[in-house]
Amino acid sequence: DAGVTQSPTHLIKTRGQQVTLRCSPKSGHDTVSWYQQALGQGPQFIFQYYEEEERQRGNFPDRFSGHQFPNYSSELNVNALLLGDSALYLCASSFGQLNEKLFFGSGTQLSVL
Amino acid sequence: QKEVEQNSGPLSVPEGAIASLNCTYSDRGSQSFFWYRQYSGKSPELIMFIYSNGDKEDGRFTAQLNKASQYVSLLIRDSQPSDSATYLCAVATSGTYKYIFGTGTRLKVLA
Repeated sequence: DAGVTQSPTHLIKTRGQQVTLRCSPKSGHDTVSWYQQALGQGPQFIFQYYEEEERQRGNFPDRFSGHQFPNYSSELNVNALLLGDSALYLCASSFGQLNEKLFFGSGTQLSVL
Repeated sequence: QKEVEQNSGPLSVPEGAIASLNCTYSDRGSQSFFWYRQYSGKSPELIMFIYSNGDKEDGRFTAQLNKASQYVSLLIRDSQPSDSATYLCAVATSGTYKYIFGTGTRLKVLA
């Protein structure tokens, strides 16, 4: 039973560039959430995708966008990268109901130079 | 006031002792509470979840919830050096799909 998989594991970009991160949820899960974790901080909610729609969004600018595909996998896109976007980006999958347990992937470490 | 608060630590305990980790939250309507363990450079791993007031035990771990006091705790019995990690408290905010995480408590178990 495959867990949550993310790619790539590490990424280095320069300011102003665009990046796409990918996630495949745990088998049987239909919901994908994305979190940003800065060094020494807890994960911060970016948004959640369910049934190919953005169901809820956190306090992140429009530079952060996403997509969910019919097979439940998801992408996170960040445009016009800033130095402050450097962080660990975590994908979490779950069932679509409220209060469900989140299972995290191994994350993508993004460095913006 | 932060939505989910944890003492950042480090909390140092000797091997074999009980480690007690605490978390307070501000949303009185919160329904679900989770503890994640995160090793340095790794992603969070779910170790306990609790929905109702009282205690929930799983092996060496016990989660305690007191909704009246808006307080949730994690006890680790017979602590091992391998338990050394950051422990994140997460709260599912009422009526939303957003989970609020604390900044985590760093636990060090001394051999």
